[in-house]
Amino acid sequence: QQQVKQSPQSLIVQKGGISIINCAYENTAFDYFPWYQQFPGKGPALLIAIRPDVSEKKEGRFTISFNKSAKQFSLHIMDSQPGDSATYFCAAASTSGTYKYIFGTGTRLKVLA
Amino acid sequence: DTGVSQDPRHKITKRGQNVTFRCDPISEHNRLYWYRQTLGQGPEFLTYFQNEAQLEKSRLLSDRFSAERPKGSFSTLEIQRTEQGDSAMYLCASSLEGPLSVSRGYTFGSGTRLTVV
Repeated sequence: QQQVKQSPQSLIVQKGGISIINCAYENTAFDYFPWYQQFPGKGPALLIAIRPDVSEKKEGRFTISFNKSAKQFSLHIMDSQPGDSATYFCAAASTSGTYKYIFGTGTRLKVLA
Repeated sequence: DTGVSQDPRHKITKRGQNVTFRCDPISEHNRLYWYRQTLGQGPEFLTYFQNEAQLEKSRLLSDRFSAERPKGSFSTLEIQRTEQGDSAMYLCASSLEGPLSVSRGYTFGSGTRLTVV
């Protein structure tokens, strides 16, 4: 019940295309869903996050879509660029208590120039 | 403020040796977390501090692991009698408790990569 399932494991997209990464969770106590971007040799960096009271959040080229009833959320990267090539992790947390994150297994994105 | 700092960046040790890692969080952050990340996997929660109090420990944290956060500032993670299975990236993160903290999420350090040979 603590797992967050992420797919696909890897993704190749042409420059200018849309990258879509999906995550699913089971624990209904989760109420915070961040996405992190990680480059090799670096720690994860917060990209965008959503609370379950909204169904979509957009920041620049990055959009989170959230489906509370299906317990799924996804990251859309519009106009993907080679500089977006990185590993992306979804996570889920309950903001009551310790606020620890449960991470997905990651998606390695490669954007072709 | 330069973010979350971790030291060392890399550590190679022989099996059976003890190692200690240090994390310096963002100064005003009262929450501090340690995570472990193995190759091709997402980070896994190890332990959480609120100020100097260690409030949660994962079952992943065996008796060989100990963490401290004296005076609620920097934190150390010690692994005794290292095993090859301890080889991983050890990540530290900090955050500020409060109504705005959720929107800002954690800030992670760049991690300490441990290799046990």
